[in-house]
Amino acid sequence: KAGVTQTPRYLIKTRGQQVTLSCSPISGHRSVSWYQQTPGQGLQFLFEYFSETQRNKGNFPGRFSGRQFSNSRSEMNVSTLELGDSALYLCASSLVSRHTGELFFGEGSRLTVL
Amino acid sequence: DQQVKQNSPSLSVQEGRISILNCDYTNSMFDYFLWYKKYPAEGPTFLISISSIKDKNEDGRFTVFLNKSAKHLSLHIVPSQPGDSAVYFCAAPGTGNQFYFGTGTSLTVIP
Repeated sequence: KAGVTQTPRYLIKTRGQQVTLSCSPISGHRSVSWYQQTPGQGLQFLFEYFSETQRNKGNFPGRFSGRQFSNSRSEMNVSTLELGDSALYLCASSLVSRHTGELFFGEGSRLTVL
Repeated sequence: DQQVKQNSPSLSVQEGRISILNCDYTNSMFDYFLWYKKYPAEGPTFLISISSIKDKNEDGRFTVFLNKSAKHLSLHIVPSQPGDSAVYFCAAPGTGNQFYFGTGTSLTVIP
């Protein structure tokens, strides 16, 4: 069964631009979470979507937003990019939104902001 | 405000020896902990978990120990193999599928 697919894998943007990242979860998984990984900070939770509804949001500015479609695919958007947004953005899917559930991560989208 | 902390950024161990990776947490309400392993250019993969009602959970070469009074958990890998070289993250749950991750420990197993 196919894993979590994230596109694009790599991208370079300049300050002030915006970016949209896409995530296709494992078939049948209804929960999609997004994390930002930066050196020295580990994985920081951005938000979680379950059945097209945002269930939870981490401590990130409003420039970070997301959505989930009826087929459970999810997108996240970052507007007015800053240098500090350079990071690996990881998407994770799960069957249900329950914290004892295992997360299945994609390979990530590496964003570089110049 | 890091609720889960891994204070050792890196660890090197000889093949066949024991690897011990440590993790501390601040929130005594955490009732479940997980370890994930991450290879370069791959997403993290689930390794092992432990419920707070237990103090030990074992899966093959991997054992996780939980000391609730010290708010400390550790992952033991015995024996360590070169393929275990990766970054290891410990994590604890927030709401839903929000998890608090540590900053990771990069393990190198030397052949």
